[in-house]
Amino acid sequence: DQQVKQNSPSLSVQEGRISILNCDYTNSMFDYFLWYKKYPAEGPTFLISISSIKDKNEDGRFTVFLNKSAKHLSLHIVPSQPGDSAVYFCAASEGGGTSYGKLTFGQGTILTVHP
Amino acid sequence: KAGVTQTPRYLIKTRGQQVTLSCSPISGHRSVSWYQQTPGQGLQFLFEYFSETQRNKGNFPGRFSGRQFSNSRSEMNVSTLELGDSALYLCASSYAGTGANVLTFGAGSRLTVL
Repeated sequence: DQQVKQNSPSLSVQEGRISILNCDYTNSMFDYFLWYKKYPAEGPTFLISISSIKDKNEDGRFTVFLNKSAKHLSLHIVPSQPGDSAVYFCAASEGGGTSYGKLTFGQGTILTVHP
Repeated sequence: KAGVTQTPRYLIKTRGQQVTLSCSPISGHRSVSWYQQTPGQGLQFLFEYFSETQRNKGNFPGRFSGRQFSNSRSEMNVSTLELGDSALYLCASSYAGTGANVLTFGAGSRLTVL
């Protein structure tokens, strides 16, 4: 039972355009969501998070949107840069934050940004 | 500030053996979590330690165990290795492991079981 799903295994965009990565969840107890980026041979790196009391959070080129009624969140990267090419993981937890170290991850989306 | 350090980075074992992986968290971080990443199952939570106590555990068999030392360093052990244990094992640390505490991951230990 996959509680966090990233239905697009890959996404390809042109440099300078917008990248939109999507994530759906089924567990209504999830109330804290994060996006991580992973390069080969490195561990996941935190990008941005959002609490369920918000519907949007911005940090520079990265914006996360949360639609609680649809149990859907998305990560927007504007403008996309070739250095953004990586695997992006959506993650969720309960209890208003990182619940005793436990995050539930999606399967990841490979983003490729072409120059 | 040094990041999360995991050793060894790569190792090869045979079925039936056991393995111990080590994780040194970021200085000041007291919570250490372990995750297994495989192509089929993705990233899955193994367990979390705080102040030398296991506070949370994922859905893995008892062959997977861990511990945390007084300096917050942690080790995980897998006994009686199976082929399916081949994976990237990731350690993550945070200050408290709860609330808006972001997990910072190490680069992982790549285990191959032959």
